[in-house]
Amino acid sequence: GENVEQHPSTLSVQEGDSAVIKCTYSDSASNYFPWYKQELGKRPQLIIDIRSNVGEKKDQRIAVTLNKTAKHFSLHITETQPEDSAVYFCAASRGNTGFQKLVFGTGTRLLVSP
Amino acid sequence: DVKVTQSSRYLVKRTGEKVFLECVQDMDHENMFWYRQDPGLGLRLIYFSYDVKMKEKGDIPEGYSVSREKKERFSLILESASTNQTSMYLCASSFQEAFFGQGTRLTVV
Repeated sequence: GENVEQHPSTLSVQEGDSAVIKCTYSDSASNYFPWYKQELGKRPQLIIDIRSNVGEKKDQRIAVTLNKTAKHFSLHITETQPEDSAVYFCAASRGNTGFQKLVFGTGTRLLVSP
Repeated sequence: DVKVTQSSRYLVKRTGEKVFLECVQDMDHENMFWYRQDPGLGLRLIYFSYDVKMKEKGDIPEGYSVSREKKERFSLILESASTNQTSMYLCASSFQEAFFGQGTRLTVV
């Protein structure tokens, strides 16, 4: 089955710096790669996702890149702000809407210091 | 707004009790999931379901079972609760994007 590894487990940056979180997956049939942000005491929420037919996707200060050959994908946050502090989870799944097994990484705790 | 609602925010149960965690979604999603969240271990998939009465084991199904009699409802059952099942349990439903419930913090004493 799918296995998703995520690094680093914790990441501390200064406000304004960039942050990069990396994930690798094992199932070459996986074709959907979302990223979730979980603030303290709240539920995880989707911030960006990418499908296997795309190499990069951007949404304002966040971007995700995908390397299918190497089976890894990364989250990039530029100009970090204190409100970016949270736990970030990557995930991978195969299949489309009718059958979707979504497997998560172990999470990265991002701390942005003012 | 999509809503995924879990029946309890906090639960305390005794060892050996049978425990039911309920999850309801209002968006007619086919896929529903149960995860447990533990520090340092992320979100681990217990069971998922892609249709009514269809279920698949996730990565840590031991000690759990599930029921999906109706499309909107997915129940997690702990047949005989044990202290190592103390955890945060998160339900999710998806069409493409997954939406999570608010979580149930279960303590087994």
